[in-house]
Amino acid sequence: AQTVTQSQPEMSVQEAETVTLSCTYDTSENNYYLFWYKQPPSRQMILVIRQEAYKQQNATENRFSVNFQKAAKSFSLKISDSQLGDTAMYFCAFMAQTQGGSEKLVFGKGTKLTVNP
Amino acid sequence: EPEVTQTPSHQVTQMGQEVILRCVPISNHLYFYWYRQILGQKVEFLVSFYNNEISEKSEIFDDQFSVERPDGSNFTLKIRSTKLEDSAMYFCASGVGYQPQHFGDGTRLSIL
Repeated sequence: AQTVTQSQPEMSVQEAETVTLSCTYDTSENNYYLFWYKQPPSRQMILVIRQEAYKQQNATENRFSVNFQKAAKSFSLKISDSQLGDTAMYFCAFMAQTQGGSEKLVFGKGTKLTVNP
Repeated sequence: EPEVTQTPSHQVTQMGQEVILRCVPISNHLYFYWYRQILGQKVEFLVSFYNNEISEKSEIFDDQFSVERPDGSNFTLKIRSTKLEDSAMYFCASGVGYQPQHFGDGTRLSIL
């Protein structure tokens, strides 16, 4: 079974600064996907960024980028130029790639990020 | 942009009563999911559904839970006899194979 660990329950950052959220995972699968989801106080689940395990290049999406280290099973999220609207719970998630195509997401416990003015 | 729609946004039910949570997935999606998030905890997988049958279910998804896709658009989660510990946020999600799953805004279920 896969597990996802987020070791930072809470973090804070000053507006306009950079912050990195950590995520590690455990799996015996070789092919999989990793995601970061954002959950603001409204409790919606919003996809931030996605990484395919077979790609060596780290994914980027505007101010959001990841540092994917497959051998270390590490998948951290870097938020640059933090904005007040980035305040939210951030969940790291894993999805195995199998022939079925309907694999579930396995989530970490989340990191609560607060951006301070 | 197409959205996953969930109704109601908040449901309050007496313990022991049946509750049905409704979802309208994105129209061209083939895979459907229910997740649960107890307040302050992580999001947990309940069940996945494909081709009109359950693909996978978790230990949480016991006999009191059932899912159905009664027509071409709706996807429902039924809890037959609710318990206090069923109080949670329930998220519906849909997807197309290995593309990211799109989540609805959730239904907050409160059991009294």
